[in-house]
Amino acid sequence: SSELTQDPAVSVALGQTVRITCQGDSLRSYYASWYQQKPGQAPVLVIYGKNNRPSGIPDRFSGSSSGNTASLTITGAQAEDEADYYCNSRDSSGNHPPYVFGTGTKVTVL
Amino acid sequence: QVQLQQWGAGLLKPSETLSLTCAVYGGSFSGYYWSWIRQPPGKGLEWIGEINHSGSTNYNPSLKSRVTISVDTSKNQFSLKLSSVTAADTAVYYCARAASYYDILTGYYSSWFDPWGQGTLVTVSS
Repeated sequence: SSELTQDPAVSVALGQTVRITCQGDSLRSYYASWYQQKPGQAPVLVIYGKNNRPSGIPDRFSGSSSGNTASLTITGAQAEDEADYYCNSRDSSGNHPPYVFGTGTKVTVL
Repeated sequence: QVQLQQWGAGLLKPSETLSLTCAVYGGSFSGYYWSWIRQPPGKGLEWIGEINHSGSTNYNPSLKSRVTISVDTSKNQFSLKLSSVTAADTAVYYCARAASYYDILTGYYSSWFDPWGQGTLVTVSS
Protein backbone atom coordinates (compact mmCIF):
# COMPACT_ATOMS: atom_id res chain seq x y z
CA SER A 1 0.00 0.00 0.00
CA SER A 2 1.14 3.52 -0.77
CA GLU A 3 2.46 5.68 2.02
CA LEU A 4 2.19 8.88 0.03
CA THR A 5 -1.30 10.34 0.27
CA GLN A 6 -2.89 12.55 -2.36
CA ASP A 7 -6.38 13.99 -2.72
CA PRO A 8 -8.27 11.79 -5.20
CA ALA A 9 -9.52 14.64 -7.37
CA VAL A 10 -9.36 18.39 -7.78
CA SER A 11 -10.86 20.76 -10.31
CA VAL A 12 -9.64 24.11 -11.58
CA ALA A 13 -11.11 26.73 -13.86
CA LEU A 14 -9.25 27.37 -17.08
CA GLY A 15 -6.44 29.84 -16.45
CA GLN A 16 -6.63 29.57 -12.69
CA THR A 17 -4.15 28.05 -10.23
CA VAL A 18 -4.37 24.62 -8.66
CA ARG A 19 -2.16 23.00 -6.03
CA ILE A 20 -1.87 19.24 -5.64
CA THR A 21 -0.45 17.93 -2.39
CA CYS A 22 1.34 14.75 -1.40
CA GLN A 23 1.85 13.77 2.24
CA GLY A 24 4.18 11.20 3.71
CA ASP A 25 6.91 10.77 6.29
CA SER A 26 9.56 10.10 3.63
CA LEU A 27 9.09 13.65 2.36
CA ARG A 28 10.90 14.99 5.42
CA SER A 29 14.14 13.68 3.88
CA TYR A 30 13.41 13.17 0.20
CA TYR A 31 12.09 15.51 -2.44
CA ALA A 32 9.07 14.26 -4.32
CA SER A 33 9.05 13.87 -8.07
CA TRP A 34 5.81 14.47 -9.94
CA TYR A 35 4.35 12.72 -12.98
CA GLN A 36 1.53 13.62 -15.34
CA GLN A 37 -0.38 10.75 -16.90
CA LYS A 38 -3.01 11.15 -19.59
CA PRO A 39 -5.38 8.30 -20.51
CA GLY A 40 -3.65 5.49 -22.34
CA GLN A 41 -0.21 7.10 -22.05
CA ALA A 42 2.90 6.50 -20.00
CA PRO A 43 3.58 8.87 -17.10
CA VAL A 44 5.68 11.93 -17.88
CA LEU A 45 8.01 13.57 -15.38
CA VAL A 46 7.03 17.19 -14.73
CA ILE A 47 8.93 18.12 -11.55
CA TYR A 48 11.95 16.68 -9.75
CA GLY A 49 14.28 17.79 -7.00
CA LYS A 50 13.65 20.99 -5.11
CA ASN A 51 11.81 22.54 -8.07
CA ASN A 52 13.25 21.39 -11.40
CA ARG A 53 11.40 21.00 -14.69
CA PRO A 54 12.64 18.65 -17.41
CA SER A 55 13.15 20.12 -20.83
CA GLY A 56 9.82 20.72 -22.55
CA ILE A 57 7.72 21.06 -19.40
CA PRO A 58 6.00 24.47 -19.26
CA ASP A 59 7.00 26.86 -16.51
CA ARG A 60 3.43 26.95 -15.22
CA PHE A 61 4.38 23.74 -13.36
CA SER A 62 6.27 24.25 -10.11
CA GLY A 63 7.06 22.24 -7.01
CA SER A 64 7.62 22.95 -3.35
CA SER A 65 8.09 21.08 -0.11
CA SER A 66 7.49 21.73 3.58
CA GLY A 67 7.75 19.20 6.36
CA ASN A 68 5.98 16.02 5.33
CA THR A 69 4.12 17.63 2.43
CA ALA A 70 5.16 18.16 -1.18
CA SER A 71 3.11 20.26 -3.56
CA LEU A 72 2.75 20.58 -7.29
CA THR A 73 1.29 23.88 -8.47
CA ILE A 74 -0.10 24.60 -11.91
CA THR A 75 -0.32 28.35 -12.40
CA GLY A 76 -2.68 29.27 -15.21
CA ALA A 77 -4.03 25.78 -15.89
CA GLN A 78 -4.64 24.86 -19.52
CA ALA A 79 -7.05 22.33 -20.96
CA GLU A 80 -4.13 20.03 -21.80
CA ASP A 81 -3.19 19.85 -18.12
CA GLU A 82 -6.23 17.68 -17.41
CA ALA A 83 -4.69 14.40 -16.33
CA ASP A 84 -3.80 12.19 -13.39
CA TYR A 85 -0.85 13.34 -11.33
CA TYR A 86 1.31 11.09 -9.15
CA CYS A 87 4.00 11.96 -6.65
CA ASN A 88 6.90 9.64 -5.94
CA SER A 89 9.63 9.49 -3.36
CA ARG A 90 12.31 7.22 -2.06
CA ASP A 91 11.64 5.57 1.27
CA SER A 92 14.52 4.49 3.47
CA SER A 93 12.43 3.51 6.48
CA GLY A 94 12.72 -0.17 5.68
CA ASN A 95 8.99 -0.53 6.17
CA HIS A 96 8.13 0.13 2.53
CA PRO A 97 9.62 -0.46 -0.92
CA PRO A 98 12.61 1.73 -1.79
CA TYR A 99 10.34 3.80 -4.02
CA VAL A 100 6.72 4.65 -3.28
CA PHE A 101 4.15 6.38 -5.43
CA GLY A 102 1.30 8.54 -4.25
CA THR A 103 -2.29 7.48 -4.64
CA GLY A 104 -2.80 9.88 -7.53
CA THR A 105 -4.87 13.03 -8.10
CA LYS A 106 -7.21 13.48 -11.02
CA VAL A 107 -7.13 17.09 -12.20
CA THR A 108 -10.14 18.36 -14.12
CA VAL A 109 -9.89 21.66 -15.96
CA LEU A 110 -13.29 23.33 -16.16
CA GLN B 1 17.85 11.88 -26.10
CA VAL B 2 17.37 8.63 -24.29
CA GLN B 3 14.48 6.45 -25.44
CA LEU B 4 13.19 3.22 -23.95
CA GLN B 5 11.49 0.58 -26.08
CA GLN B 6 9.90 -2.40 -24.38
CA TRP B 7 8.31 -5.63 -25.53
CA GLY B 8 7.03 -8.95 -24.30
CA ALA B 9 4.07 -11.31 -24.19
CA GLY B 10 0.75 -9.64 -23.46
CA LEU B 11 -1.47 -12.59 -22.57
CA LEU B 12 -0.58 -15.17 -19.96
CA LYS B 13 -2.34 -17.98 -18.15
CA PRO B 14 -2.26 -18.24 -14.36
CA SER B 15 0.97 -19.80 -13.03
CA GLU B 16 2.98 -18.81 -16.12
CA THR B 17 5.99 -16.51 -16.07
CA LEU B 18 5.76 -12.93 -17.29
CA SER B 19 8.75 -11.87 -19.37
CA LEU B 20 9.45 -8.34 -20.62
CA THR B 21 12.52 -6.66 -22.07
CA CYS B 22 13.40 -2.98 -22.32
CA ALA B 23 16.02 -1.59 -24.68
CA VAL B 24 17.79 1.71 -24.05
CA TYR B 25 18.66 3.89 -27.03
CA GLY B 26 20.58 7.11 -27.35
CA GLY B 27 22.25 7.54 -24.00
CA SER B 28 24.50 6.13 -21.35
CA PHE B 29 23.50 2.77 -19.89
CA SER B 30 25.94 2.85 -17.00
CA GLY B 31 25.61 5.30 -14.17
CA TYR B 32 21.89 4.77 -13.70
CA TYR B 33 19.47 2.32 -12.23
CA TRP B 34 16.82 0.91 -14.56
CA SER B 35 13.40 0.19 -13.12
CA TRP B 36 10.20 -1.69 -13.78
CA ILE B 37 6.92 -0.14 -12.65
CA ARG B 38 3.39 -1.45 -13.13
CA GLN B 39 -0.13 -0.07 -13.10
CA PRO B 40 -3.22 -2.28 -12.75
CA PRO B 41 -6.18 -1.11 -14.84
CA GLY B 42 -7.73 1.98 -13.28
CA LYS B 43 -5.28 1.99 -10.38
CA GLY B 44 -2.07 3.67 -9.31
CA LEU B 45 1.61 3.00 -9.94
CA GLU B 46 3.64 0.32 -8.17
CA TRP B 47 7.42 0.08 -8.29
CA ILE B 48 8.61 -3.46 -8.96
CA GLY B 49 12.37 -3.31 -8.89
CA GLU B 50 15.56 -2.00 -10.43
CA ILE B 51 18.97 -2.99 -11.74
CA ASN B 52 22.17 -1.19 -12.67
CA HIS B 53 24.71 -1.99 -15.36
CA SER B 54 26.72 -4.10 -12.90
CA GLY B 55 23.72 -6.27 -12.14
CA SER B 56 23.02 -4.91 -8.69
CA THR B 57 19.30 -5.22 -7.97
CA ASN B 58 16.68 -3.96 -5.57
CA TYR B 59 13.15 -5.35 -5.41
CA ASN B 60 9.80 -4.45 -3.94
CA PRO B 61 9.51 -6.72 -0.89
CA SER B 62 5.92 -7.55 -1.80
CA LEU B 63 7.06 -9.11 -5.09
CA LYS B 64 10.63 -10.13 -4.30
CA SER B 65 9.96 -13.87 -4.12
CA ARG B 66 8.64 -13.91 -7.69
CA VAL B 67 10.71 -11.21 -9.45
CA THR B 68 13.98 -11.44 -11.31
CA ILE B 69 15.47 -8.45 -13.10
CA SER B 70 18.50 -9.02 -15.30
CA VAL B 71 20.71 -6.92 -17.55
CA ASP B 72 22.50 -7.40 -20.87
CA THR B 73 25.02 -4.60 -21.14
CA SER B 74 26.16 -5.74 -24.59
CA LYS B 75 22.72 -4.81 -25.92
CA ASN B 76 21.84 -2.02 -23.46
CA GLN B 77 18.83 -4.02 -22.39
CA PHE B 78 17.28 -5.10 -19.12
CA SER B 79 14.55 -7.62 -18.49
CA LEU B 80 11.81 -8.51 -16.04
CA LYS B 81 10.59 -11.95 -15.13
CA LEU B 82 7.65 -12.43 -12.77
CA SER B 83 6.81 -16.01 -11.96
CA SER B 84 3.56 -17.70 -10.96
CA VAL B 85 1.37 -14.89 -12.22
CA THR B 86 -2.26 -14.53 -11.21
CA ALA B 87 -5.06 -12.22 -12.29
CA ALA B 88 -3.75 -9.73 -9.71
CA ASP B 89 -0.66 -9.27 -11.87
CA THR B 90 -2.74 -7.94 -14.76
CA ALA B 91 -1.37 -4.47 -15.39
CA VAL B 92 0.44 -2.16 -17.75
CA TYR B 93 4.14 -2.68 -17.15
CA TYR B 94 6.56 0.18 -17.73
CA CYS B 95 10.32 0.36 -17.82
CA ALA B 96 11.99 3.61 -16.76
CA ARG B 97 15.36 5.13 -16.01
CA ALA B 98 15.96 6.13 -12.39
CA ALA B 99 18.19 9.10 -11.58
CA SER B 100 19.08 10.68 -8.28
CA TYR B 101 21.20 13.26 -6.51
CA TYR B 102 21.91 14.56 -3.04
CA ASP B 103 21.28 18.27 -2.49
CA ILE B 104 24.14 19.26 -0.21
CA LEU B 105 22.60 22.65 0.49
CA THR B 106 19.31 21.32 1.83
CA GLY B 107 20.32 17.86 2.96
CA TYR B 108 17.54 16.39 0.86
CA TYR B 109 17.89 13.43 -1.46
CA SER B 110 16.11 13.51 -4.79
CA SER B 111 15.19 10.72 -7.19
CA TRP B 112 13.04 10.52 -10.28
CA PHE B 113 12.04 8.32 -13.22
CA ASP B 114 12.66 9.67 -16.69
CA PRO B 115 12.19 8.62 -19.44
CA TRP B 116 9.61 5.85 -19.45
CA GLY B 117 8.93 3.12 -21.94
CA GLN B 118 5.67 3.06 -23.82
CA GLY B 119 4.14 0.42 -21.55
CA THR B 120 3.01 -3.15 -22.16
CA LEU B 121 -0.40 -4.41 -21.13
CA VAL B 122 -0.06 -7.85 -19.62
CA THR B 123 -3.30 -9.72 -19.05
CA VAL B 124 -3.46 -12.87 -16.96
CA SER B 125 -6.49 -14.96 -17.77
CA SER B 126 -7.35 -18.61 -18.04
